[in-house]
Amino acid sequence: DQQVKQNSPSLSVQEGRISILNCDYTNSMFDYFLWYKKYPAEGPTFLISISSIKDKNEDGRFTVFLNKSAKHLSLHIVPSQPGDSAVYFCAASEGNYGQNFVFGPGTRLSVLP
Amino acid sequence: GAGVSQSPSNKVTEKGKDVELRCDPISGHTALYWYRQSLGQGLEFLIYFQGNSAPDKSGLPSDRFSAERTGGSVSTLTIQRTQQEDSAVYLCASSLGQGVFGNTIYFGEGSWLTVV
Repeated sequence: DQQVKQNSPSLSVQEGRISILNCDYTNSMFDYFLWYKKYPAEGPTFLISISSIKDKNEDGRFTVFLNKSAKHLSLHIVPSQPGDSAVYFCAASEGNYGQNFVFGPGTRLSVLP
Repeated sequence: GAGVSQSPSNKVTEKGKDVELRCDPISGHTALYWYRQSLGQGLEFLIYFQGNSAPDKSGLPSDRFSAERTGGSVSTLTIQRTQQEDSAVYLCASSLGQGVFGNTIYFGEGSWLTVV
């Protein structure tokens, strides 16, 4: 039973448009959320995070939105670039302890030139 | 080294054999984590080392899995009597401290294990 779900295994977006990656979770105790990006043959790299006291966090082209009542978060990339093509993992944790993070299965984003 | 280093990058082994996967964390990082990712699954936490404290082994799927960390640095994940369901990418990560909110956890490139 997956506690963190990313229901879209893949997503294709045209360069310059918005990419929206979605993530749902079931554990209401989760209060820290992160997005990691993974290129082929590389380890995941941290992208952006949000705590449950916020509903939005923005870093350049990347914005994460959190809807606690819906147990849903999303990552927006605007404008999308071909270099953004990667697998994006959503992760959630109860408390900010690395060993507690639960990762989703990932969404493969393809940004088409 | 500059990043988390893992070896081997690829390993094919016969069912029933033992395998060892090595992780060299970023110098100075006291926390070390092992995760694995099976096909179509998210990253699954296996074990966590923090300094000299007893490791958190709560994610190890069976007693065939064990890990040690020598001298607070290099870690070895051992899988005994491998089974086909052990086939996965095994990722090691490290952080300066106790994984302070995400952005200090650095992953290696992973060890791809295939059990045939």
